[in-house]
Amino acid sequence: GAVVSQHPSWVICKSGTSVKIECRSLDFQATTMFWYRQFPKQSLMLMATSNEGSKATYEQGVEKDKFLINHASLTLSTLTVTSAHPEDSSFYICSARDPGRLTTEAFFGQGTRLTVV
Amino acid sequence: AQSVTQPDIHITVSEGASLELRCNYSYGATPYLFWYVQSPGQGLQLLLKYFSGDTLVQGIKGFEAEFKRSQSSFNLRKPSVHWSDAAEYFCAVGGNSGYALNFGKGTSLLVTP
Repeated sequence: GAVVSQHPSWVICKSGTSVKIECRSLDFQATTMFWYRQFPKQSLMLMATSNEGSKATYEQGVEKDKFLINHASLTLSTLTVTSAHPEDSSFYICSARDPGRLTTEAFFGQGTRLTVV
Repeated sequence: AQSVTQPDIHITVSEGASLELRCNYSYGATPYLFWYVQSPGQGLQLLLKYFSGDTLVQGIKGFEAEFKRSQSSFNLRKPSVHWSDAAEYFCAVGGNSGYALNFGKGTSLLVTP
């Protein structure tokens, strides 16, 4: 089946620094990718929809200047948490659905555990 | 607007007992429905999916789910639970591949000896 790879799986950074998370679709071209945030013991909250070659679409309440999304190629989307603060600590998961298949499940990356100290 | 409700936050079952996790959805068109499982600190693994056709779908690890349009439900079942099934289970609904899935809040499954 299709595979989505996310890197890194965990990262610790200092408050005020920026962190980049990569999401790659390994065996299909993902024109659209999705970024979720998950708080402990909670569900996945959609942050934004990443569109190849165009601006991302952010969900209400998500700061687009803090969470920069770049989808420069059909197989790679990146999420950059800028000027990270402890409240940004969370589990971030990317997802992609194969556009070549109209009916398809979402494939998820392994997730990235971000800890801001 | 689409939404998913998982009424049970936690469920505890004995190993070997049967399991049913409830999921109700609200969706304006014919829904695509999914069940995912998540182990701690991990991504999500697809258990099964429903797009059309037979309303009883079989998934991996012995799981099955039944789509009931009249009840707007897509409950997950397993006849005999194993200790390794302890995890977080998410029901999700979505449209075609251009759209993100909408997740329920999840049900945490605990399996006792």
